[in-house]
Amino acid sequence: RKEVEQDPGPFNVPEGATVAFNCTYSNSASQSFFWYRQDCRKEPKLLMSVYSSGNEDGRFTAQLNRASQYISLLIRDSKLSDSATYLCVVNQSGGSNYKLTFGKGTLLTVNP
Amino acid sequence: DAGVIQSPRHEVTEMGQEVTLRCKPISGHNSLFWYRQTMMRGLELLIYFNNNVPIDDSGMPEDRFSAKMPNASFSTLKIQPSEPRDSAVYFCASSTRRTNTEAFFGQGTRLTVV
Repeated sequence: RKEVEQDPGPFNVPEGATVAFNCTYSNSASQSFFWYRQDCRKEPKLLMSVYSSGNEDGRFTAQLNRASQYISLLIRDSKLSDSATYLCVVNQSGGSNYKLTFGKGTLLTVNP
Repeated sequence: DAGVIQSPRHEVTEMGQEVTLRCKPISGHNSLFWYRQTMMRGLELLIYFNNNVPIDDSGMPEDRFSAKMPNASFSTLKIQPSEPRDSAVYFCASSTRRTNTEAFFGQGTRLTVV
């Protein structure tokens, strides 16, 4: 099983649609989780952290299920500017084992 | 803050040549990561440093790849000799070594080996 696995996509949705991305991780010792966004030919940038109780930032909602080792990102009322690749990221920390592992990403295209 | 600075932004080189990629992390960050991104494999962690010490280099593809961090403000990734399959975008990222910490990426070096 890959360390971090995401929906392969691509997702093509109309403006205003709600879209959800899923991600699973293999290491139960993972301690923190993120969603990053990467625009075409740009570097990845943090979209939001994912907290155990779930968290929301405007139109974006992230959820974590530690028992199932599953992370999700929900985008409501999608905008053209949401078109990008969304990367699920898992951070192992503690002792000397500290690294960010990225999923391969899911490409989202929001159409007018 | 200028962010993570990588150089060069683009590199085209011939197979067999040595390539050196450079990275300046954000001041005060004590973790530094080198990633490689390709369409087929996505973002792969090559190596990371904590406080200038290499912690995990299990992602380095083979002996042709080496990375150094001689001080807190500079790191290099060297490929010698380069091969066409090394063509990719190489990203450097830095962060503070705390559990729930964002990693900041440089703009990347787009390497093409012909």
